Amino acid sequence: DAGITQSPRHKVTETGTPVTLRCHQTENHRYMYWYRQDPGHGLRLIHYSYGVKDTDKGEVSDGYSVSRSKTEDFLLTLESATSSQTSVYFCAISFQGTSTDTQYFGPGTRLTVL
Amino acid sequence: GESVGLHLPTLSVQEGDNSIINCAYSNSASDYFIWYKQESGKGPQFIIDIRSNMDKRQGQRVTVLLNKTVKHLSLQIAATQPGDSAVYFCAESFGSNYKLTFGKGTLLTVNP
Repeated sequence: DAGITQSPRHKVTETGTPVTLRCHQTENHRYMYWYRQDPGHGLRLIHYSYGVKDTDKGEVSDGYSVSRSKTEDFLLTLESATSSQTSVYFCAISFQGTSTDTQYFGPGTRLTVL
Repeated sequence: GESVGLHLPTLSVQEGDNSIINCAYSNSASDYFIWYKQESGKGPQFIIDIRSNMDKRQGQRVTVLLNKTVKHLSLQIAATQPGDSAVYFCAESFGSNYKLTFGKGTLLTVNP
């Protein structure tokens, strides 16, 4: 998994509770991404980061926030979880962030919001 | 939990046969393409990539073909093995945009 770990790997939570997912990389890559994967939708970008404290929105960012206080960690927060946020969340990294730069994925976090 | 393989196009092949998985991409300006393999319960795994200035690229047992005229990408797997059973995604990006756009995927099942 290209030196990427995600925690927790599984989580069940209740509607309205805050949730934070962590992505940790050991490769010192500049670019990090959060995706969600749902049946019928494939992988969709939530947020990405192009450096420490530099983040931007993806196509499905509503209801999510991110933070990156150091190169190796990228946190995804659901401020108040909803059932529609039940999904599998993947973190990815890339070295340069150019259009021809491969993204490598972590093992995923399965989140269930009851 | 529900598998990401549900509701996907499927391809079923016999062990030892060659497999061809197709992908129609959306943006004629896309200049970089990647194929990923995703096994159940795991993250997408990089297989092979190709830039738009090429029409074919070969890896170990895999070949990617790019036809820009009809915006079509294919992944050929030679001598398919049971371990190749997975969902395969294509992804594209263009210009200075480092965001990837993913296809929905194809579920490959290899029968022994």
